[in-house]
Amino acid sequence: AQSVTQPDIHITVSEGASLELRCNYSYGATPYLFWYVQSPGQGLQLLLKYFSGDTLVQGIKGFEAEFKRSQSSFNLRKPSVHWSDAAEYFCAVGALVQGAQKLVFGQGTRLTINP
Amino acid sequence: NAGVTQTPKFQVLKTGQSMTLQCAQDMNHEYMSWYRQDPGMGLRLIHYSVGAGITDQGEVPNGYNVSRSTTEDFPLRLLSAAPSQTSVYFCATRWGASFEQFFGPGTRLTVL
Repeated sequence: AQSVTQPDIHITVSEGASLELRCNYSYGATPYLFWYVQSPGQGLQLLLKYFSGDTLVQGIKGFEAEFKRSQSSFNLRKPSVHWSDAAEYFCAVGALVQGAQKLVFGQGTRLTINP
Repeated sequence: NAGVTQTPKFQVLKTGQSMTLQCAQDMNHEYMSWYRQDPGMGLRLIHYSVGAGITDQGEVPNGYNVSRSTTEDFPLRLLSAAPSQTSVYFCATRWGASFEQFFGPGTRLTVL
C-alpha cells in the first residue's frame, strides 16, 4: 500500500544554516510527489512538486527537492534558512487508491529556527 | 478570487452536539475533500467528492457526513460530536486529473 514516511518529527537549525528534510515513499507506480508547508495557524501551501523529468525540482521560497527513485526518496533542501521558515512541512504522494486519485501525507516535520 | 474558504475558524462543542463545517471554493474545481490533522498523524482523508451529487468515503469517515449539491460548496457535518473529533479540519480542492490540491485555512474544533 502507498505510504509516506518523514523520519524526523522535529528538527532545529540555526538561522543561516542549511536544511534537509527527509521523505521516503512507498508506491508501486511512478509517483507524483509534493512538499507542502504549514505556517502556524495557517493552511497548507504548496512548496514544490515532482511529476516527471528533471529529478531536481525548484520551488518557492528558495526550496528545492531531489527525487531519487532508487532510494524512494524526495528530500527537501534549502541552502540557508530564514527565521520565517519555521513551520511544519508535509511530504505527500499522489496515488491511485481503489481507482480514485488521492494524496497520501507523511506525518510532518516541525522545523524550529534558532536565532 | 478567494480560493478555498472555511468557516468557522474556531469552534468549541460539547459532546453530543451537532454542527456543520463550511467549505466554499470559487475556482470551479470539481474535486473537493475534507481532511483532519492530528499531531504526529499528518492529514487523513475523511470524505471527498468528484463533482456535484457524488461523494465517497476516505480513510476516516466514521462520525462525519457530507453532501455536495453545488460545485462551490462541500459542507462537513458532525451529527453527534465526540472528544475524538477534536482536530483541525482542512478542506481542499483540485482540478481535473491533477493530484495537486489547494487547501483552505482550516477550522480548529474542540469537543469537550
